[in-house]
Amino acid sequence: DQQVKQNSPSLSVQEGRISILNCDYTNSMFDYFLWYKKYPAEGPTFLISISSIKDKNEDGRFTVFLNKSAKHLSLHIVPSQPGDSAVYFCAASALEINTGFQKLVFGTGTRLLVSP
Amino acid sequence: ETGVTQTPRHLVMGMTNKKSLKCEQHLGHNAMYWYKQSAKKPLELMFVYNFKEQTENNSVPSRFSPECPNSSHLFLHLHTLQPEDSALYLCASSQISTGFNSNQPQHFGDGTRLSIL
Repeated sequence: DQQVKQNSPSLSVQEGRISILNCDYTNSMFDYFLWYKKYPAEGPTFLISISSIKDKNEDGRFTVFLNKSAKHLSLHIVPSQPGDSAVYFCAASALEINTGFQKLVFGTGTRLLVSP
Repeated sequence: ETGVTQTPRHLVMGMTNKKSLKCEQHLGHNAMYWYKQSAKKPLELMFVYNFKEQTENNSVPSRFSPECPNSSHLFLHLHTLQPEDSALYLCASSQISTGFNSNQPQHFGDGTRLSIL
């Protein structure tokens, strides 16, 4: 049973437009959410995160929105650039307060293609 | 440069071989992780080392044996692997601290692509 789902395996967007990547989760105990970007032959690179106490976090062209009632988060990239073409993974975790341990659960990824 | 270095990048081995994957982090983190990524599957956590102590073994077969000699180095020793163990093995590190709002992201290496013949 997948606790973190990315239902769109791929997304194509034109340069300059907005890219919206979506992620749904089932575990209400998750309190920390992250997006990673992965280029071929490289490991995932941390992009942006959001804590469950917030509903929005922005970093430059990247904004993550969290809707806890819907158990849904999204990543917005504005404006999209060809260099943004990569696979984007959503991840979630529930922090263990006493140990600080964070067990990340990943989605299967969405391949974003930004065309010039 | 991610701050987490994995070697080798590619490894082909027979089922009777013994090999080791190495990971080194230069970020001053106190926790290190091994993940497995099989084709068309999400990343799966295998092991966690927190302050050099193994705190998680995610039901991984004993043919995978982790070792963490210090907070900067992590090994994954492999022996008598099966063809289904062919996958991308990723190492990650993070800074773990206790308390609320102490979440920190994990940083990944570029992985070792393992093929079992």
